[in-house]
Formats: sequence, C-alpha cells, structure tokens
Amino acid sequence: EIVLTQSPGTLSLSPGERATLSCRASQSVSSSYLAWYQQKPGQAPRLLIYGASSRATGIPDRFSGSGSGTDFTLTISRLEAEDFAVYYCQQYGSSRTFGPGTKVDIK
Amino acid sequence: QVQLVQSGAEVKKPGASVKVSCKASGYTFTGYYLQWVRQAPGQGLEWMGWINPNSGGTNYAHKFQGRVTMTRDTSISTAYMELNRLRSDDTAVYYCARGSSSGRAVANLYWGQGTLVTVSS
Repeated sequence: EIVLTQSPGTLSLSPGERATLSCRASQSVSSSYLAWYQQKPGQAPRLLIYGASSRATGIPDRFSGSGSGTDFTLTISRLEAEDFAVYYCQQYGSSRTFGPGTKVDIK
Repeated sequence: QVQLVQSGAEVKKPGASVKVSCKASGYTFTGYYLQWVRQAPGQGLEWMGWINPNSGGTNYAHKFQGRVTMTRDTSISTAYMELNRLRSDDTAVYYCARGSSSGRAVANLYWGQGTLVTVSS
C-alpha cells in the first residue's frame, strides 16, 4: 500500500500570502495519479487537482499542482478568505490512499 | 446534473451491521465506478473501496476486507455499502463518490452528502 505523508500539518498564513503544501509518497505514484482535495467543516471534499497538475472544472487558477514520482506540491498563489480549509492529497493509481491532511488556517 | 444522494443517519450497537445507500442520478449509473470513503470525527479521509456498477466487481481496502460488502441495484441506480461487526471506532461519516470520467483510476469529482453512522452501546 502506498503511504502518503503531508507537510506541514498546519500552515498559518494571512490572506494574500502564498501557500505551499507538500505530499510525499512511500513509492512512486504511477502515471501521476495524484489528486488534491479541499474540505471545509461539515462539507464533503471538493476536488481541486487531478493528474498531479490538472485543475478540476471551476477551480480558480490560483490553485496549481506540480510534481511526479514521490513528491507533489499544491500551491495557492494568493490566499483568499474561502481558501482556509483542510487539504488532502490522494493517490489513485495503486488502489487508493489519502494523506493525513494539511490545515491552512488564518494567522 | 450529477447527484449522489445517500441514506440518512444511523445509530447502531457494537457488533451490529449497517447498510448505507447511495442513489445516483443525472448520468448513466453503469458507466462510472463508485468509491466509498469514510471520515471519523475530527479525523482524515479513509478510502474503503470501490464498486464497478456495470459488472458488480469490487475492490476493498485491506483494512476492511472480510467486513465490508459493496453491492448495487442497477434497476434503481443505487449502490450500497454494508459494514459488519461494527465497533465504536467505525463511528464516522460515510461518503460515496464518483469519478470525473469513466474508468477505474479517476479522481473523485462528485460526492454524496455523507451519512453519519454512530456506533454506541
């Protein structure tokens, strides 16, 4: 089973700042089958990025994904108020697993 | 529009079973895999498995093998997830989710609203 590790656990930033979230896999993720989700309290997760770098429909371009193999990054170029949430990475190439999440909160 | 509507909250005793339904609409039910994901209170997301509604084929996470059964009824476009021998740590919100396109290795674009299952004596 591929284990995903996310860092940092919590990221405290101000609106307008840049957020960089990391997701590391215990083994290579095939064909970059890596997704990022955003989740707010009481809501289902929302797909942001799939295939490591493709934005899902309707996702603002301030969200971008990059990486391959075992190291992936989600970048939010300028944080807006609605971006403070928990972010999960997921690999879906070999069975499926989620990372433990990174909470982005207001500094 | 694609919709996944799940059954309502459940309260179960330890050792019992629970069956959660996920009714799909707005697309061809047999054309897309459905995943089941759960989230314990205050915890992260945990993948449980998938079902291919066309063939009925399933793939379960190792952790749940022997305790979970995923089925479907194509006549009513509904998928089911049954979890047996419930324990207190099975208390969670259970979600069904569908990919952005057909095929097995697809990220989950559409999600049900979640079903809270509480296991308590």
